[in-house]
Amino acid sequence: DAGVIQSPRHEVTEMGQEVTLRCKPISGHNSLFWYRQTMMRGLELLIYFNNNVPIDDSGMPEDRFSAKMPNASFSTLKIQPSEPRDSAVYFCASTLGDSRAFFGQGTRLTVV
Amino acid sequence: TQLLEQSPQFLSIQEGENLTVYCNSSSVFSSLQWYRQEPGEGPVLLVTVVTGGEVKKLKRLTFQFGDARKDSSLHITAAQPGDTGLYLCAGDVVGNEKLTFGTGTRLTIIP
Repeated sequence: DAGVIQSPRHEVTEMGQEVTLRCKPISGHNSLFWYRQTMMRGLELLIYFNNNVPIDDSGMPEDRFSAKMPNASFSTLKIQPSEPRDSAVYFCASTLGDSRAFFGQGTRLTVV
Repeated sequence: TQLLEQSPQFLSIQEGENLTVYCNSSSVFSSLQWYRQEPGEGPVLLVTVVTGGEVKKLKRLTFQFGDARKDSSLHITAAQPGDTGLYLCAGDVVGNEKLTFGTGTRLTIIP
């Protein structure tokens, strides 16, 4: 199995631009998680889906952030408009529903 | 919100030494996991402990879950440079697969 696949690996964008991060979970996994990691705040859960349905989005910082999971093999995290304080590494992880998480390699986002 | 505090935050030791890192919370967890993260990569699951007092061994790594299921420790024997990385504990509560991650311990093993 290829594992969790995220794209792009790196993204540099200007403040105010829209950013879309993509994730392909491990085939057969039924839960998908989006995390953000910074030196100051560590690894924070933004949102998670179970069977493509958003279950808990309490970690989404504000309305500029949105996430979708149109099918079992694809999810997006969108930031519009982006701000410098959104700079971080964004991880996607998937599980079989038993909380043992398998992470992608992350997307390093820099907003200038 | 379940808060997981890890200590120490940073640890730098010589190859061959032993070390222990801790993960503490005031909350009870149904299970607790340990992950290792290397630069430029995502966290990788090392072990899951589910029973209070449980001890699991993974080669030179020994993991223990506290009796009350509120804390855990990771002990490394004869540390090697390949053990260098960020160690994260993570816990979940009954009926909720949402994982809360600890603050992390950044470990450096000096050859």
